[in-house]
Amino acid sequence: EPEVTQTPSHQVTQMGQEVILRCVPISNHLYFYWYRQILGQKVEFLVSFYNNEISEKSEIFDDQFSVERPDGSNFTLKIRSTKLEDSAMYFCASSKGQLIAKNIQYFGAGTRLSVL
Amino acid sequence: AQKITQTQPGMFVQEKEAVTLDCTYDTSDPSYGLFWYKQPSSGEMIFLIYQGSYDQQNATEGRYSLNFQKARKSANLVISASQLGDSAMYFCAMREGESSGGSNYKLTFGKGTLLTVNP
Repeated sequence: EPEVTQTPSHQVTQMGQEVILRCVPISNHLYFYWYRQILGQKVEFLVSFYNNEISEKSEIFDDQFSVERPDGSNFTLKIRSTKLEDSAMYFCASSKGQLIAKNIQYFGAGTRLSVL
Repeated sequence: AQKITQTQPGMFVQEKEAVTLDCTYDTSDPSYGLFWYKQPSSGEMIFLIYQGSYDQQNATEGRYSLNFQKARKSANLVISASQLGDSAMYFCAMREGESSGGSNYKLTFGKGTLLTVNP
Protein backbone atom coordinates (compact mmCIF):
# COMPACT_ATOMS: atom_id res chain seq x y z
CA GLU A 1 0.00 0.00 0.00
CA PRO A 2 1.44 3.43 -0.91
CA GLU A 3 2.56 5.52 2.02
CA VAL A 4 4.00 8.89 2.88
CA THR A 5 7.69 8.59 3.78
CA GLN A 6 9.53 11.03 6.03
CA THR A 7 13.24 11.35 6.70
CA PRO A 8 14.98 11.51 9.05
CA SER A 9 12.92 9.95 11.80
CA HIS A 10 14.82 12.01 14.38
CA GLN A 11 16.81 15.19 13.86
CA VAL A 12 18.86 16.86 16.55
CA THR A 13 20.12 20.38 15.93
CA GLN A 14 21.57 23.35 17.74
CA MET A 15 19.52 26.48 18.25
CA GLY A 16 20.01 28.89 15.35
CA GLN A 17 20.85 26.18 12.83
CA GLU A 18 18.89 25.52 9.68
CA VAL A 19 17.11 22.20 9.27
CA ILE A 20 15.40 20.58 6.33
CA LEU A 21 12.79 17.93 6.89
CA ARG A 22 12.04 15.71 3.94
CA CYS A 23 8.92 13.96 2.78
CA VAL A 24 8.00 11.77 -0.15
CA PRO A 25 4.22 12.03 -0.61
CA ILE A 26 2.11 9.30 -2.18
CA SER A 27 2.92 9.35 -5.88
CA ASN A 28 -0.44 10.33 -7.41
CA HIS A 29 -1.30 12.87 -4.73
CA LEU A 30 -1.44 16.55 -5.54
CA TYR A 31 -1.89 18.30 -2.19
CA PHE A 32 0.83 18.26 0.45
CA TYR A 33 0.75 19.38 4.05
CA TRP A 34 2.95 19.89 7.06
CA TYR A 35 1.65 19.62 10.61
CA ARG A 36 3.48 19.65 13.90
CA GLN A 37 2.83 18.18 17.32
CA ILE A 38 4.63 19.61 20.32
CA LEU A 39 5.09 16.93 22.97
CA GLY A 40 1.86 16.35 24.83
CA GLN A 41 -0.13 18.78 22.71
CA LYS A 42 -2.45 18.46 19.76
CA VAL A 43 -1.48 18.24 16.14
CA GLU A 44 -1.36 21.71 14.54
CA PHE A 45 -1.56 22.66 10.89
CA LEU A 46 1.39 24.54 9.42
CA VAL A 47 0.98 24.77 5.67
CA SER A 48 -0.58 23.22 2.59
CA PHE A 49 0.95 23.21 -0.87
CA TYR A 50 -0.54 22.69 -4.30
CA ASN A 51 0.69 23.26 -7.81
CA ASN A 52 4.04 24.53 -6.56
CA GLU A 53 2.66 27.17 -4.30
CA ILE A 54 1.35 27.56 -0.77
CA SER A 55 -2.42 27.30 -0.72
CA GLU A 56 -2.99 27.82 3.00
CA LYS A 57 -0.80 28.55 6.00
CA SER A 58 -1.23 29.07 9.73
CA GLU A 59 0.05 31.78 12.03
CA ILE A 60 2.80 29.42 13.12
CA PHE A 61 4.20 29.34 9.59
CA ASP A 62 6.19 32.57 9.76
CA ASP A 63 9.19 33.76 7.76
CA GLN A 64 11.41 31.21 9.45
CA PHE A 65 9.59 28.43 7.63
CA SER A 66 9.54 27.59 3.95
CA VAL A 67 8.37 24.69 1.84
CA GLU A 68 9.55 23.43 -1.49
CA ARG A 69 8.97 20.67 -3.96
CA PRO A 70 12.48 20.48 -5.42
CA ASP A 71 11.71 17.60 -7.77
CA GLY A 72 8.82 15.36 -8.76
CA SER A 73 8.85 13.31 -5.61
CA ASN A 74 10.17 15.24 -2.60
CA PHE A 75 8.44 17.83 -0.46
CA THR A 76 10.55 19.66 2.11
CA LEU A 77 10.06 21.88 5.13
CA LYS A 78 12.92 24.22 5.96
CA ILE A 79 13.33 26.02 9.25
CA ARG A 80 15.95 28.74 8.75
CA SER A 81 17.06 29.45 12.29
CA THR A 82 15.69 26.97 14.76
CA LYS A 83 14.45 27.96 18.18
CA LEU A 84 13.98 25.82 21.26
CA GLU A 85 10.21 26.03 20.78
CA ASP A 86 10.49 24.44 17.35
CA SER A 87 11.14 21.12 19.07
CA ALA A 88 8.23 18.94 18.02
CA MET A 89 7.16 16.02 15.87
CA TYR A 90 6.63 17.21 12.30
CA PHE A 91 4.19 15.31 10.13
CA CYS A 92 3.94 15.42 6.39
CA ALA A 93 0.63 14.47 4.78
CA SER A 94 -0.70 14.23 1.26
CA SER A 95 -4.08 13.91 -0.41
CA LYS A 96 -5.32 13.23 -3.92
CA GLY A 97 -6.64 16.74 -4.24
CA GLN A 98 -10.05 15.63 -5.38
CA LEU A 99 -12.87 18.07 -4.97
CA ILE A 100 -14.94 15.52 -3.14
CA ALA A 101 -15.88 15.46 0.48
CA LYS A 102 -14.16 12.22 1.40
CA ASN A 103 -10.70 13.42 0.40
CA ILE A 104 -8.41 11.83 2.93
CA GLN A 105 -5.08 13.19 4.12
CA TYR A 106 -2.57 10.38 4.64
CA PHE A 107 0.21 11.03 7.10
CA GLY A 108 3.81 9.96 7.33
CA ALA A 109 5.42 8.56 10.47
CA GLY A 110 6.83 11.96 11.40
CA THR A 111 10.22 13.51 12.07
CA ARG A 112 11.01 14.26 15.68
CA LEU A 113 12.98 17.52 15.78
CA SER A 114 14.97 18.24 18.91
CA VAL A 115 16.49 21.73 19.19
CA LEU A 116 19.21 22.03 21.84
CA ALA B 1 -12.81 28.48 21.62
CA GLN B 2 -11.81 24.90 21.00
CA LYS B 3 -13.05 23.62 17.69
CA ILE B 4 -12.54 19.96 18.61
CA THR B 5 -12.91 18.74 22.17
CA GLN B 6 -11.92 15.31 23.35
CA THR B 7 -12.78 15.18 27.04
CA GLN B 8 -11.21 11.82 27.83
CA PRO B 9 -7.44 12.09 28.20
CA GLY B 10 -7.28 8.33 28.83
CA MET B 11 -9.56 5.34 28.52
CA PHE B 12 -9.22 1.70 29.51
CA VAL B 13 -11.09 -1.23 27.98
CA GLN B 14 -10.91 -4.98 28.33
CA GLU B 15 -9.95 -6.98 25.29
CA LYS B 16 -12.96 -8.01 23.18
CA GLU B 17 -15.19 -5.33 24.67
CA ALA B 18 -16.48 -2.25 22.86
CA VAL B 19 -15.33 1.26 23.71
CA THR B 20 -16.57 4.73 22.81
CA LEU B 21 -14.21 7.66 22.44
CA ASP B 22 -15.90 11.04 22.66
CA CYS B 23 -15.50 13.98 20.32
CA THR B 24 -17.49 17.20 20.19
CA TYR B 25 -16.91 19.94 17.69
CA ASP B 26 -17.77 23.56 17.14
CA THR B 27 -18.40 25.11 13.76
CA SER B 28 -20.83 27.47 12.10
CA ASP B 29 -20.06 26.02 8.69
CA PRO B 30 -22.91 23.76 7.51
CA SER B 31 -20.52 21.67 5.44
CA TYR B 32 -17.70 19.90 7.21
CA GLY B 33 -15.99 16.57 7.55
CA LEU B 34 -15.02 14.71 10.68
CA PHE B 35 -12.09 12.33 10.83
CA TRP B 36 -10.58 9.94 13.31
CA TYR B 37 -6.90 9.05 13.27
CA LYS B 38 -4.99 6.50 15.34
CA GLN B 39 -1.46 7.17 16.55
CA PRO B 40 0.30 4.08 17.92
CA SER B 41 3.40 4.42 20.07
CA SER B 42 5.50 4.21 16.90
CA GLY B 43 4.20 7.67 16.04
CA GLU B 44 2.55 7.43 12.65
CA MET B 45 -0.95 8.82 12.11
CA ILE B 46 -3.31 6.26 10.63
CA PHE B 47 -6.63 7.30 9.09
CA LEU B 48 -9.55 5.32 10.49
CA ILE B 49 -12.90 6.76 9.46
CA TYR B 50 -14.63 9.77 7.91
CA GLN B 51 -18.08 11.31 8.39
CA GLY B 52 -19.44 14.10 6.23
CA SER B 53 -21.88 16.57 7.71
CA TYR B 54 -24.42 15.79 5.01
CA ASP B 55 -24.05 12.02 5.21
CA GLN B 56 -27.37 10.46 6.07
CA GLN B 57 -25.91 7.38 7.70
CA ASN B 58 -23.28 6.92 10.35
CA ALA B 59 -19.94 5.86 8.90
CA THR B 60 -18.59 2.37 9.49
CA GLU B 61 -15.23 0.83 8.62
CA GLY B 62 -14.78 -2.69 9.89
CA ARG B 63 -14.66 -2.60 13.70
CA TYR B 64 -14.85 1.20 13.70
CA SER B 65 -18.10 3.11 13.59
CA LEU B 66 -18.95 6.71 14.14
CA ASN B 67 -21.87 7.75 16.30
CA PHE B 68 -22.68 11.04 14.60
CA GLN B 69 -25.17 13.27 16.38
CA LYS B 70 -25.31 16.43 14.34
CA ALA B 71 -27.64 18.39 16.62
CA ARG B 72 -25.35 17.72 19.57
CA LYS B 73 -22.25 18.34 17.44
CA SER B 74 -20.73 15.08 18.51
CA ALA B 75 -18.88 12.43 16.51
CA ASN B 76 -17.95 9.64 18.85
CA LEU B 77 -15.78 6.76 17.68
CA VAL B 78 -16.94 3.29 18.61
CA ILE B 79 -14.44 0.45 18.48
CA SER B 80 -16.06 -2.96 18.73
CA ALA B 81 -14.32 -6.12 19.94
CA SER B 82 -11.20 -4.30 21.16
CA GLN B 83 -7.83 -5.86 20.45
CA LEU B 84 -4.50 -5.34 22.16
CA GLY B 85 -3.27 -3.66 19.00
CA ASP B 86 -5.92 -0.98 19.41
CA SER B 87 -3.90 0.53 22.28
CA ALA B 88 -2.92 3.94 20.92
CA MET B 89 -3.70 7.64 20.93
CA TYR B 90 -6.86 8.51 19.01
CA PHE B 91 -7.42 11.93 17.47
CA CYS B 92 -10.63 13.47 16.24
CA ALA B 93 -10.24 16.11 13.53
CA MET B 94 -12.49 18.40 11.51
CA ARG B 95 -12.27 20.02 8.12
CA GLU B 96 -14.60 22.91 7.34
CA GLY B 97 -15.85 24.11 3.99
CA GLU B 98 -16.30 20.65 2.49
CA SER B 99 -18.86 21.63 -0.11
CA SER B 100 -17.30 24.95 -1.07
CA GLY B 101 -14.08 23.56 -2.47
CA GLY B 102 -12.66 22.91 0.96
CA SER B 103 -11.95 19.25 0.53
CA ASN B 104 -8.24 20.09 0.55
CA TYR B 105 -8.33 22.46 3.47
CA LYS B 106 -6.50 21.94 6.74
CA LEU B 107 -7.52 19.56 9.47
CA THR B 108 -8.10 20.87 12.99
CA PHE B 109 -7.33 18.28 15.64
CA GLY B 110 -8.43 17.62 19.19
CA LYS B 111 -5.98 16.81 21.97
CA GLY B 112 -6.53 13.09 21.68
CA THR B 113 -7.54 10.18 23.88
CA LEU B 114 -5.05 7.54 24.96
CA LEU B 115 -6.74 4.15 24.77
CA THR B 116 -5.31 1.21 26.64
CA VAL B 117 -6.66 -2.27 25.95
CA ASN B 118 -6.14 -4.68 28.81
CA PRO B 119 -5.78 -8.43 28.24
